Parts: sequence; structure tokens; C-alpha cells
Amino acid sequence: EVQLVESGGALVQPGGSLRLSCAASGLTFSSSGINWVRQAPGKGLEWLSYISSSGTTMYYADSVKGRFTISRDNAKNSLFLQMHSLRAEDTAVYYCARLGFKGSSYWGQGTLVTVSS
Amino acid sequence: EVVMTQSPLSLPVTLGQPASISCRSSQSLVYSDGNTYLNWFQQRPGQSPRRLIYKVSNRDSGVPDRFSGSGSGTDFTLKISRVEAEDVGVYYCLQGTHWPRTFGQGTKLEIK
Repeated sequence: EVQLVESGGALVQPGGSLRLSCAASGLTFSSSGINWVRQAPGKGLEWLSYISSSGTTMYYADSVKGRFTISRDNAKNSLFLQMHSLRAEDTAVYYCARLGFKGSSYWGQGTLVTVSS
Repeated sequence: EVVMTQSPLSLPVTLGQPASISCRSSQSLVYSDGNTYLNWFQQRPGQSPRRLIYKVSNRDSGVPDRFSGSGSGTDFTLKISRVEAEDVGVYYCLQGTHWPRTFGQGTKLEIK
């Protein structure tokens, strides 16, 4: 069974930093491009970032470019999202997801990030 | 970026009746390899999203055959032939042809 388990969500002050993690199991992680997607309370889904299977190619949404950094450790089957300069509008549930345009799709259960003073 | 526009945003449906959701993209979603990377996701209340349809019309394993996807170019549709209670939730289209990836705003399906 494929599992993506996010962690690291917390309450953080505006301007602060946070690092999210996603632990993968049950899939060939090193062969999978993976994404971060978020969902603000009561709102829709927003794609944030993608990293290729090898970790050499990354893409970002304009809303997080320059503030968030995606990375991965294939030896540990882990995905990360380093977030800096957090704003109230970054408050959301953050999902790691394989979106599945060319294969299966998998989503984690999400981790909640709250940016508030 | 490619803007994905869904309609309607709210969809009240009587049990057993059909439902249809439109998703339009601001640019063609045909990729250079000839494929069209348009997925549909369902998000039930309190759950993570689940993919229903990939590449416009391919149903995922375990997805009831009352769900179908169609369309081409910039115009796509998700249809439910007979709505059941378990179909309540929000439906999203997502394009995977262009960067950045973009979702539609979501269509909330409820039982009338």
C-alpha cells in the first residue's frame, strides 16, 4: 500500500520559517516526481511546487517562488518543503502528492500550517 | 499561467439524476507528445483529494463507471450518469500540460 505521510505543520508567526516533510512508502520514490499542494481553510486546491524524480528539476507557483524551496532525499524516501517569510495567507493544509499525469496518483493526509501572531 | 475555469461552482443534484461539470482552460492542453494532461479529482468532506480521471477520459481503478470524462483542446467535462449520496464533495480539474500546474476553482456537488 502506498503511503505519503506529511509532518512538520505548526503554528508559526508571520515572517517565520517552517520545514515540512513527507515520508513515502510503498512506491518507487526515486522514480516519482512529487508535488506540494495546499488548501487554505474552506478554499480550493492550489498547486505549489514540483520536484523531479532525480531532484534536478523544480518548479514553483508565483505565490511561493523565492520563499519556498522543495527538495528530496531519495535514500530516505522523503520530500521536503522549506518555507520562509511566512504570511497569514500561507495558512493552509499542505499535501504532498503524486498528481499522476503519466501514472498513478497518490496524496497524503496533509499537515496544517497556521501563520498567526 | 493557464487559467482553469470550472462551472458551475455549486451543483445541487437529486439522487439518481445526472450531473455535469465543465472545465475550460485558457490555452490548449495538448502537449507536444500528443497527449492531453487533464485530470479530475474528487474531494469528499474531510478527506484528501482522490483522482477519478486522468488524461481527459481514463477512469482510475475502483472509480464507478457512472463517472466519465470527455473533451479536447480547451474544453472538458466530467459527467456522473446517476448521482449517489457518496458523490457529495468538491470536484477539481487540474492541468498537467503547462507549468505552473493549475487547478480549477472546484465544483461543490450536493444532494438536493
